Parts: sequence; C-alpha cells; structure tokens
Amino acid sequence: GAVVSQHPSRVICKSGTSVKIECRSLDFQATTMFWYRQFPKKSLMLMATSNEGSKATYEQGVEKDKFLINHASLTLSTLTVTSAHPEDSSFYICSATTGTDNIQYFGAGTRLSVL
Amino acid sequence: DAKTTQPNSMESNEEEPVHLPCNHSTISGTDYIHWYRQLPSQGPEYVIHGLTSNVNNRMASLAIAEDRKSSTLILHRATLRDAAVYYCILRGHNAGNMLTFGGGTRLMVKP
Repeated sequence: GAVVSQHPSRVICKSGTSVKIECRSLDFQATTMFWYRQFPKKSLMLMATSNEGSKATYEQGVEKDKFLINHASLTLSTLTVTSAHPEDSSFYICSATTGTDNIQYFGAGTRLSVL
Repeated sequence: DAKTTQPNSMESNEEEPVHLPCNHSTISGTDYIHWYRQLPSQGPEYVIHGLTSNVNNRMASLAIAEDRKSSTLILHRATLRDAAVYYCILRGHNAGNMLTFGGGTRLMVKP
C-alpha cells in the first residue's frame, strides 16, 4: 500500500520559534496533499489542501501567514508553524492522494508542544 | 457536505463480530461512503469504501442499505488491535479527494 512518512513525530519548542513539519509520499507521487490538526479527544479539522507547484487552499479561519505550506515536489509537502504559541500546540497530520484510487493515505502525525 | 451520524462509542468482546452503524439520510446519489479508523496517537488509516453495493476487503466488510441512507462497517472478528475511533465519511463526487471528519465511533475491545 501507499506509504506516507511524516517527520518529526514529536517536537517541543519555545514560544515564538518556528517549526517545520515534513510530509513525504514514499512510494507514489502525490497529486494532492492535505494538512489537518487535531486537538485532544476531538476530530480532525482540515487546515489546507495543497497541489504540487501551486499555492495551498486554506480552510476558513486558518491563517495562511501563520501556517506556511510548501508543496515543491510530487513527493514532499511541508507545513511551517511560524512564531508558534502555546495555543498552536496540537497534533498535526498530513495525508496524500495518488489521484487514482480516491483514498487518502495518512502520515503518523506530529505532536507539537509549544512552551 | 452531507452529514453522517455515528454512536459516540461501542464496546465489543475480542474475537466477536462488530457492527458499526452510520446514518447518512441526506446522502446524494453520487456520494461515496468511506470508512477510516484512527488508532491512539496515530494518523487515520483507510478501511473501506463503497457506493451502492456491499464491499469486502481484508480488513472489513461494508454493508450499504438499499436506500443508501445508512451503512454498517463489519469487523468479522475483533481483536485488541482494532480498538480505535472509526469514522464514516461521505465523499462527494465533485469534492476531489477531500474528506470531512465527524466525531466517529470509539470502539473498545474487551479481552
């Protein structure tokens, strides 16, 4: 099956710093990648959709200058949380689609803790 | 997006079948029914999907009502590793591959 790798799995940072999370499709080319965030005991909330080589489409209420998404290749998308604050602490999850089977393949998630 | 309704939680005994229900009374004719599950501290994983006919794969079976207003995910023999939150999601034909997650059903499996 298609494999999506997400790195790092856990990050702790100081308030005001920026954190970059990588999402890679290991054995397929991802036409579209998605970024979600999930608070404890809550469901996944879609943050943005990104297609390779074009600007990401952000969901309502998600600040594009706060959550920078780069999708420079068909196998890599990055999410940078800029000037992180404690309220940004959350579980961030990426997913990717091959464009052929209508399935989203998810990474293992990144737990961000901002002190 | 058409909405789905699932019980918040269910319990099952190990090695017994589990039937996870999902209501989607406002489903449109072109909506696919997708199921994903999320194990603790993991990203979700795909389980199964279908449109009108029942579907089987190595993980589960999907039974879709004739009027498509409900569906049931069937795990034939629950194991402790099946303890997870199960999400029933409708994917619109024109939504690309976008998924909107609801609350899901937390399945607890007792040994």
